[in-house]
Amino acid sequence: DAKTTQPNSMESNEEEPVHLPCNHSTISGTDYIHWYRQLPSQGPEYVIHGLTSNVNNRMASLAIAEDRKSSTLILHRATLRDAAVYYCISRGTSYDKVIFGPGTSLSVIP
Amino acid sequence: GAVVSQHPSRVICKSGTSVKIECRSLDFQATTMFWYRQFPKQSLMLMATSNEGSKATYEQGVEKDKFLINHASLTLSTLTVTSAHPEDSSFYICSAKGTTTDTQYFGPGTRLTVL
Repeated sequence: DAKTTQPNSMESNEEEPVHLPCNHSTISGTDYIHWYRQLPSQGPEYVIHGLTSNVNNRMASLAIAEDRKSSTLILHRATLRDAAVYYCISRGTSYDKVIFGPGTSLSVIP
Repeated sequence: GAVVSQHPSRVICKSGTSVKIECRSLDFQATTMFWYRQFPKQSLMLMATSNEGSKATYEQGVEKDKFLINHASLTLSTLTVTSAHPEDSSFYICSAKGTTTDTQYFGPGTRLTVL
């Protein structure tokens, strides 16, 4: 798995968009970019994943740089329930184990 | 999305006893399940990869005789912490991947406290 780097923490005001960055400069051509988030005392929750094209789902959007060395998870309107640790992971084949880095701790200010 | 459950959600046991934690994929079949451990304010650490019908693959530094993993069916994997000690107190989380999806789904976790 390619190593990813994320800021340790970020803050956002409630109801504003949040852009969570991730660098994965050693990513290979077949590695997917996955995002998970973990609320306090819960297991991680799948957020979104993509390969090359930008992706949207009901939870978030994923913007992938053209060179694939970085990506950004976009929460369009932060709510207090979005306060969590967000993990960016790049993975090879779908059976590859998921190795977690420290992630980004997102605080949402009312 | 797919649902993964864990049982129990929390357990308190005495030092020296063994504890079994179950991980079930409720609405899909999972040929591969993963077990993680998470200490307070730290990230998840992968302990082992569990494959249905075969022996688990343990990460470096994880004692296979202490953390017994059994993946007897396509919907159930168990982790047994044998002769538990206070330092084994942690949050144990499993994940499962279905045969038709590229996504891993995580259980809610089991909080183990060893007195």
